[in-house]
Amino acid sequence: DVKVTQSSRYLVKRTGEKVFLECVQDMDHENMFWYRQDPGLGLRLIYFSYDVKMKEKGDIPEGYSVSREKKERFSLILESASTNQTSMYLCASRGPLGSGNQPQHFGDGTRLSIL
Amino acid sequence: LAKTTQPISMDSYEGQEVNITCSHNNIATNDYITWYQQFPSQGPRFIIQGYKTKVTNEVASLFIPADRKSSTLSLPRVSLSDTAVYYCLVGDLAGGFKTIFGAGTRLFVKA
Repeated sequence: DVKVTQSSRYLVKRTGEKVFLECVQDMDHENMFWYRQDPGLGLRLIYFSYDVKMKEKGDIPEGYSVSREKKERFSLILESASTNQTSMYLCASRGPLGSGNQPQHFGDGTRLSIL
Repeated sequence: LAKTTQPISMDSYEGQEVNITCSHNNIATNDYITWYQQFPSQGPRFIIQGYKTKVTNEVASLFIPADRKSSTLSLPRVSLSDTAVYYCLVGDLAGGFKTIFGAGTRLFVKA
């Protein structure tokens, strides 16, 4: 089974802090994703990466950046946290598109509160 | 990316079969239909995926009519632990990396 591990289940930070959310997958997947989930809005894609050091903006990248220095690790960075970034953050990974229509595998999420 | 429409919520009782239908009128030729399940405070979990006709695994069945404009997730004999949000997604390999999750269907199973 694919395992996607997010470093923290709960995190509380202050406005203006730089926040790092870490995600590690153990299946050598090329593709990794960061979403945020808010009540009534479903999951929204922030950034994704299809290879080491490669990244693409999703639907709501403002206020966020990402880092993918190693294949198994994908980090989401809140450059200067704001209260509207309080949310559940979900990381996912997926195998190469060329090998069938592969589903995404999700971590259990990080519930981030910005005070 | 094809938009999907699902009921917002459904109620059922333990032991019943539950069918959740998803509409995707603009589905493209290369699109697959994928269903995920999400429990509170957990990430979505893949349940089943199909392209046409019927797919069955140990958890659920997926029925897709010939025109593929809708699909039905069937959960046999649900239990209390099946209470969750169920998401229907439509997407293809070329469309690639982006997957749109809608609001999903909140299933509540009662004793």
